[in-house]
Amino acid sequence: QQQVKQSPQSLIVQKGGISIINCAYENTAFDYFPWYQQFPGKGPALLIAIRPDVSEKKEGRFTISFNKSAKQFSLHIMDSQPGDSATYFCAARIQQTSGSRLTFGEGTQLTVNP
Amino acid sequence: DTAVSQTPKYLVTQMGNDKSIKCEQNLGHDTMYWYKQDSKKFLKIMFSYNNKELIINETVPNRFSPKSPDKAHLNLHINSLELGDSAVYFCASSQRGYNTGELFFGEGSRLTVL
Repeated sequence: QQQVKQSPQSLIVQKGGISIINCAYENTAFDYFPWYQQFPGKGPALLIAIRPDVSEKKEGRFTISFNKSAKQFSLHIMDSQPGDSATYFCAARIQQTSGSRLTFGEGTQLTVNP
Repeated sequence: DTAVSQTPKYLVTQMGNDKSIKCEQNLGHDTMYWYKQDSKKFLKIMFSYNNKELIINETVPNRFSPKSPDKAHLNLHINSLELGDSAVYFCASSQRGYNTGELFFGEGSRLTVL
């Protein structure tokens, strides 16, 4: 129930195309869904996040779509650029008495070809 | 100024040795974490400390011993290293109760056990 499933494992997109990464979860106690971006040799960094009472959040070229009833959410990268090539992780947060905990998806390696 | 810094960035060692990784954050956060990222890029939480108190211990072998001398520091000591310990270890911090629950990661420490 703590799992977050992410797909695809890898994705190759042409410059200017749309990149779509999907995640699904089971635990309805998750209350916050961030996406992290990781470049080689660096730590993951928060990219964009959404709460379950919102169906969509857009920041620049990055959009999260959230479907609460299906327990799915996705990241869309519009006009993908070579600089977007990185590993993307979806995550879900659960609040516990001991503090909050983030569970990460398995990651998607995105390559944007010039 | 680096927000979350960890040293060393690389460790190469023989099986059976003991090694330590140090982490410091200057963000004033009260919660710190150790994550392990394996060769498939999967990020898994190992430990979490809040104000020097251990709050998450994710069935990690007791060869791994975290120590938090103060809320800005969280070190990881590993005894009797095994081949399977080879991974990138990330330190992270967050502000407990912070509305977004954002994690700030260090750049990672790549451990190679020969």
